[in-house]
Amino acid sequence: EDKVVQSPLSLVVHEGDTVTLNCSYEVTNFRSLLWYKQEKKAPTFLFMLTSSGIEKKSGRLSSILDKKELFSILNITATQTGDSAVYLCAGDLLRDNYGQNFVFGPGTRLSVLP
Amino acid sequence: DADVTQTPRNRITKTGKRIMLECSQTKGHDRMYWYRQDPGLGLQLIYYSFDVKDINKGEISDGYSVSRQAQAKFSLSLESAIPNQTALYFCATSEGPAGATGELFFGEGSRLTVL
Repeated sequence: EDKVVQSPLSLVVHEGDTVTLNCSYEVTNFRSLLWYKQEKKAPTFLFMLTSSGIEKKSGRLSSILDKKELFSILNITATQTGDSAVYLCAGDLLRDNYGQNFVFGPGTRLSVLP
Repeated sequence: DADVTQTPRNRITKTGKRIMLECSQTKGHDRMYWYRQDPGLGLQLIYYSFDVKDINKGEISDGYSVSRQAQAKFSLSLESAIPNQTALYFCATSEGPAGATGELFFGEGSRLTVL
């Protein structure tokens, strides 16, 4: 059964702290791993990772994938209150040899206090 | 205007009623999905469709049905709503495999409460 696990499920930090969110996966026919940020309603796309060891960066956020150990991390440096959100990790897999599909983890709820 | 539009955004109904949630998209994507989100459970796939003639069950399809009326429209029905179907529902789209970036584009969500 395809599965994505995230840890921690909840995290409270203060502004300026650095956080690391973890995502491990067991996904057959793996294609890529995706990170999303969900603030109030719709998740918004952060990163897609397909290759091991290549860090992707966007401002204070960065992410990396380890396909051998089947995990990914999302780092946020110098956190701000606007980073407060649920961070979702998803495995993108090939289904039935033609389709892609997504398996989501439960999310990490990050709260950044002023 | 949003690329993926869901209606209604909020709905309160009673047990046993039939409910339809509608989704339309202007992204021109072939692939459309319905997800359900409950607190602490992430997003669970209900149904997905890779083109107009294609309908597939997801991991939690029991109690739900879908219709893909056109490339741009994908509706979700609850034939006889029950309280444990109270949740936030998301429609999403993605490109086909030839141009697949792996990104899902989400609607704003439809919050359904079944009393």
